[in-house]
Amino acid sequence: GAGVSQSPSNKVTEKGKDVELRCDPISGHTALYWYRQSLGQGLEFLIYFQGNSAPDKSGLPSDRFSAERTGGSVSTLTIQRTQQEDSAVYLCASSLLLDSYEQYFGPGTRLTVT
Amino acid sequence: ELKVEQNPLFLSMQEGKNYTIYCNYSTTSDRLYWYRQDPGKSLESLFVLLSNGAVKQEGRLMASLDTKARLSTLHITAAVHDLSATYFCAVVNSGGSNYKLTFGKGTLLTVNP
Repeated sequence: GAGVSQSPSNKVTEKGKDVELRCDPISGHTALYWYRQSLGQGLEFLIYFQGNSAPDKSGLPSDRFSAERTGGSVSTLTIQRTQQEDSAVYLCASSLLLDSYEQYFGPGTRLTVT
Repeated sequence: ELKVEQNPLFLSMQEGKNYTIYCNYSTTSDRLYWYRQDPGKSLESLFVLLSNGAVKQEGRLMASLDTKARLSTLHITAAVHDLSATYFCAVVNSGGSNYKLTFGKGTLLTVNP
């Protein structure tokens, strides 16, 4: 079946612009996670959703970052007023339940802020 | 705060040789993962280890978990070029927030002919 998909696969934006990154989880998966992978910081957890709710936003690096999930499916990660340090690969994962053992990762969105 | 340390971070080995990658973590956890990442690709799940003494094997890779020592190992047997990739271990905190993966920095493995 279809795996986790993300779009766009690559995004180049100018510093100060807003960007939206999209994640389509595996159908039926109730939990969704966002991670960021950068050279300096490695793989970092950003936020998770159980259904449409995000109980813990403490992993978001700044208030320029926000995320939402609608209909218990698609999620959007928005970065406002992008900075060069936001350049990274943003990975989305989903799991059947919040406490499921397996998280399935999407291909990622490579964000470059110039 | 949960910390995960992998070593070595870089590993260059010859085909046919054996080697072990180590993953130490700082607080109690009941779940440890190994992932593989090829350049420009996403994370591929290799193993999920759920209990003390768990051992799992797939092809030339074998992973084990010692929860008392807070240590997992990924052993490579008779390496082949196709195993060249970056390997990450990740741990779930067995405290209240047991949904978030904390990753090690990864081990870049290069297998040379």
